[in-house]
Amino acid sequence: AQKVTQAQTEISVVEKEDVTLDCVYETRDTTYYLFWYKQPPSGELVFLIRRNSFDEQNEISGRYSWNFQKSTSSFNFTITASQVVDSAVYFCALLPPGYSSASKIIFGSGTRLSIRP
Amino acid sequence: DSGVTQTPKHLITATGQRVTLRCSPRSGDLSVYWYQQSLDQGLQFLIQYYNGEERAKGNILERFSAQQFPDLHSELNLSSLELGDSALYFCASSVGAGGNNEQFFGPGTRLTVL
Repeated sequence: AQKVTQAQTEISVVEKEDVTLDCVYETRDTTYYLFWYKQPPSGELVFLIRRNSFDEQNEISGRYSWNFQKSTSSFNFTITASQVVDSAVYFCALLPPGYSSASKIIFGSGTRLSIRP
Repeated sequence: DSGVTQTPKHLITATGQRVTLRCSPRSGDLSVYWYQQSLDQGLQFLIQYYNGEERAKGNILERFSAQQFPDLHSELNLSSLELGDSALYFCASSVGAGGNNEQFFGPGTRLTVL
């Protein structure tokens, strides 16, 4: 069975601190995709990153970085020097490949991140 | 602004009623996806259309149906509404048909069933 676990329900840090959001997944597929989405207080979902299971390179985008480790089935997300605008709920998601793969997407339960000024 | 529009923004209705949610995808996007976000079920994929045809089906109830029109806008119809249908309904769009495409989400329609 496929599963995505975001064990941290809520995290609160002071502005400028670094914070890591954990995502652990389970799948029997050898090929799959992983995603992170941000849901700010305004409510809309914003795509942050997509990672193919064959690409284990870590990625950095500004203050955001992602650490994909297939050996531990984790795809963690780090925000460096956090800012108040980073306050949101963050979702990790797992998607198998295939014609109708969208039907099999599994989202984690989300981590609510609060950045205090 | 993602370029995806959804109407209405809020909808309050009674049990047993029927409602229609509307989504206009980004210009050039052929795929439309519908998702439901509720407190107890979390974020769930409902259905995807690609260029007018149903492409993928998730946990969509039989009371719910959707379609994508020739101009590529989509409608999600919810009927015989129950209290448990209260949720935020998102529409997303992407250029391609694969679920791995980057999806752009609309602002959502918040449905409250009383």
